[in-house]
Amino acid sequence: GEDVEQSLFLSVREGDSSVINCTYTDSSSTYLYWYKQEPGAGLQLLTYIFSNMDMKQDQRLTVLLNKKDKHLSLRIADTQTGDSAIYFCAERSDDYKLSFGAGTTVTVRA
Amino acid sequence: DAMVIQNPRYQVTQFGKPVTLSCSQTLNHNVMYWYQQKSSQAPKLLFHYYDKDFNNEADTPDNFQSRRPNTSFCFLDIRSPGLGDAAMYLCATSSFPSGRADNEQFFGPGTRLTVL
Repeated sequence: GEDVEQSLFLSVREGDSSVINCTYTDSSSTYLYWYKQEPGAGLQLLTYIFSNMDMKQDQRLTVLLNKKDKHLSLRIADTQTGDSAIYFCAERSDDYKLSFGAGTTVTVRA
Repeated sequence: DAMVIQNPRYQVTQFGKPVTLSCSQTLNHNVMYWYQQKSSQAPKLLFHYYDKDFNNEADTPDNFQSRRPNTSFCFLDIRSPGLGDAAMYLCATSSFPSGRADNEQFFGPGTRLTVL
């Protein structure tokens, strides 16, 4: 079965980098995703990485994938107050189904 | 703007009183999903429709049913809500096969269900 785990909370100072970590168990996952959920809103896809890649960069976001250890991380450079949200790691467990982690609540302090 | 809409945003029901949550989409996506999200937990997939084909997750209680009368609308029916069914219910859509690597799921804002 699929099991995705993340730490629940992260507090970071504005302007610093945030690193959110995730571990997954399904070694056959082809894609891994990061979703963002702001208060009162649905989940929004931030970025994704294909399993044959070990890094992907998209503006302030850097995704690192260690497939051997089944470890995924999301780094947000120059964290802003607008980055305060819940971040969900997810793996594609089937052609069109996702398994989510419990989410990491990121709080950006001034 | 194309989007996923959920109504109502907040729903209060009584223990054992049937309740229906609604989802509609303007994306013309062929796949629609219902997730249950409890506080500090991962969204849990209840079931999904691939076109008209209904797919129930193995551990979804019989108390939960769904209807998809057309491409745009999907309903979640809870026949006899219990206190443990209080949660956020998220609807999502995707297009499969999308021809895109990310196969993104588009989420609605959710309906928060309270059971008294």
